[in-house]
Amino acid sequence: EPEVTQTPSHQVTQMGQEVILRCVPISNHLYFYWYRQILGQKVEFLVSFYNNEISEKSEIFDDQFSVERPDGSNFTLKIRSTKLEDSAMYFCASRYGTSGGRSTDTQYFGPGTRLTVL
Amino acid sequence: AQSVAQPEDQVNVAEGNPLTVKCTYSVSGNPYLFWYVQYPNRGLQFLLKYITGDNLVKGSYGFEAEFNKSQTSFHLKKPSALVSDSALYFCAVRAPTGGGNKLTFGTGTQLKVEL
Repeated sequence: EPEVTQTPSHQVTQMGQEVILRCVPISNHLYFYWYRQILGQKVEFLVSFYNNEISEKSEIFDDQFSVERPDGSNFTLKIRSTKLEDSAMYFCASRYGTSGGRSTDTQYFGPGTRLTVL
Repeated sequence: AQSVAQPEDQVNVAEGNPLTVKCTYSVSGNPYLFWYVQYPNRGLQFLLKYITGDNLVKGSYGFEAEFNKSQTSFHLKKPSALVSDSALYFCAVRAPTGGGNKLTFGTGTQLKVEL
């Protein structure tokens, strides 16, 4: 069964450094998402992406964050200058969408990247 | 704004007994409702969803959930719990329309099934 994959599984960085988190969504999916989960807290929406542009973003997704689909398979989240409070588990998700009468509303999640900012 | 409440941080149940994990929601319009499960050091796994149709939906691993519009609830149930069901369960809601179709999650309920 196709899965969303994410690399790396764990990233440790120094405050102020740039990090790029990578995701490979399910191959025929059209909608892509990033969420994060701070330790012990709930999963929070960051951004959604469709047709090579951001569809919606949360207040968390400030100018330090950016997303990109550099090729036909990868979907990346960049944090330009990391802060201590960016330490969290970051989840990528993808969804097929609707095409030719076929619809699926289910978002499928990757295993996550644990980001630790020191 | 959409929101989800999971009133119980933890639910304990004996193996073989029925289990219920509670969820209530708030959203404009008809809700799209989801349950996900998270095992330690793993991602979120989809269990089941309600979009439209029968109020009782069946999902993976013998789980089911009942949509109750008047009570704005979507409780997760299983007739007979297994020790392997022990995990963190998240309820999520999505508005029926809107640009990104984001999911809003509850705070999660830790299910502990004991022998």
